Amino acid sequence: GAVVSQHPSWVICKSGTSVKIECRSLDFQATTMFWYRQFPKQSLMLMATSNEGSKATYEQGVEKDKFLINHASLTLSTLTVTSAHPEDSSFYICSVSGLATHEQYFGPGTRLTVT
Amino acid sequence: AQSVSQHNHHVILSEAASLELGCNYSYGGTVNLFWYVQYPGQHLQLLLKYFSGDPLVKGIKGFEAEFIKSKFSFNLRKPSVQWSDTAEYFCAVRSGGGNKLTFGTGTQLKVEL
Repeated sequence: GAVVSQHPSWVICKSGTSVKIECRSLDFQATTMFWYRQFPKQSLMLMATSNEGSKATYEQGVEKDKFLINHASLTLSTLTVTSAHPEDSSFYICSVSGLATHEQYFGPGTRLTVT
Repeated sequence: AQSVSQHNHHVILSEAASLELGCNYSYGGTVNLFWYVQYPGQHLQLLLKYFSGDPLVKGIKGFEAEFIKSKFSFNLRKPSVQWSDTAEYFCAVRSGGGNKLTFGTGTQLKVEL
């Protein structure tokens, strides 16, 4: 399967600032990337789906102006949490998928804490 | 909207005990079904998947799952667990030919020596 990395693995930021999280597919051409968030003791909730070179498709209830997603290449997608607030504190996980596979390969996640 | 239910939130077993984790979904059409495992401090990994064919699928590390269409279920089983199976297990469903996964809430399994 694909090897997926995320950077940073954890970040603490102050309320009102923006944070960028990177998701890299190290050995796989990721035509599609997914961003999830996971609250403690809860399931992964899909935030958005992005196809390389296209605008992301956001799930209902996810603010696209707050969670900016860029998928400029087959190996990199970024999620920017703008004007972060404490309620945005969560575990953010990306996954990748390719044209020839129905599987998703997951990154290790990024723990965001907004103070 | 489809949903996925995992009834057991926490399971504690002794080594060599048998395991069965329940997963039910709500979607009447064609589904693809997955079980993922997340070991402590690690990323989600695919255990097994069902797309079509034999409803009994075998995955890695001795795990298997059975798709029972009439019950909308895809329960995960292992005849004899090991301490190293301690992890969180997630059931996921993809439906309608799309590529989005809907996850269950997860089951935390602890295997005691």
